Amino acid sequence: GQQVQQSPASLVLQEGENAELQCNFSTSLNSMQWFYQRPEGSLVSLFYNPSGTKQSGRLTSTTVIKERRSSLHISSSQITDSGTYLCAMENTNAYKVIFGKGTHLHVLP
Amino acid sequence: NAGVIQTPRHKVTGKGQEATLWCEPISGHSAVFWYRQTIVQGLEFLTYFRNQAPIDDSGMPKERFSAQMPNQSHSTLKIQSTQPQDSAVYLCASSLDKGKVFFGKGTRLTVV
Repeated sequence: GQQVQQSPASLVLQEGENAELQCNFSTSLNSMQWFYQRPEGSLVSLFYNPSGTKQSGRLTSTTVIKERRSSLHISSSQITDSGTYLCAMENTNAYKVIFGKGTHLHVLP
Repeated sequence: NAGVIQTPRHKVTGKGQEATLWCEPISGHSAVFWYRQTIVQGLEFLTYFRNQAPIDDSGMPKERFSAQMPNQSHSTLKIQSTQPQDSAVYLCASSLDKGKVFFGKGTRLTVV
């Protein structure tokens, strides 16, 4: 089964609203990472966050290893935040990085 | 640091032809990953190398697909007898032994 579950699959916001993206893992993990995929396809690393909370501007990532979950919070969303957000886990046994299917975010003016 | 470099950025092949995709990882990175992305399947893991040795190719289609890493500065993904269903964006990534993963811009393969 799918080892990395992301929710919601898609999200539409009005500019200025906040967003909470979730990532759940079915196996134990060494680390996890959040990516933003630009419309043209390139992947930008947002956070490498094995555990705890990290913040960068309007973005906050929280990972709770024991609960096998991570979240990405976007505050005061902007139109330029639109795109696909992907979480990825490096699992304990195989050390390979497995991705969720992403959350497609659309911020409206 | 130019990041992970993938060439070509776009490739169009005729059905049945061979396609070779190239990846140059970030210098000093010991792990190299290959992924395939389609709208339907999302980002699928294909294979990865650590210190040039193939570690896990569980995501590779059993036939027609092969990957090599002849030296620490490049890896190739070869698809023989390409089929329309092979059309996708192929992404290469690298990382230090464990840690943050950096992606290339990808190669968009179109099989016509």
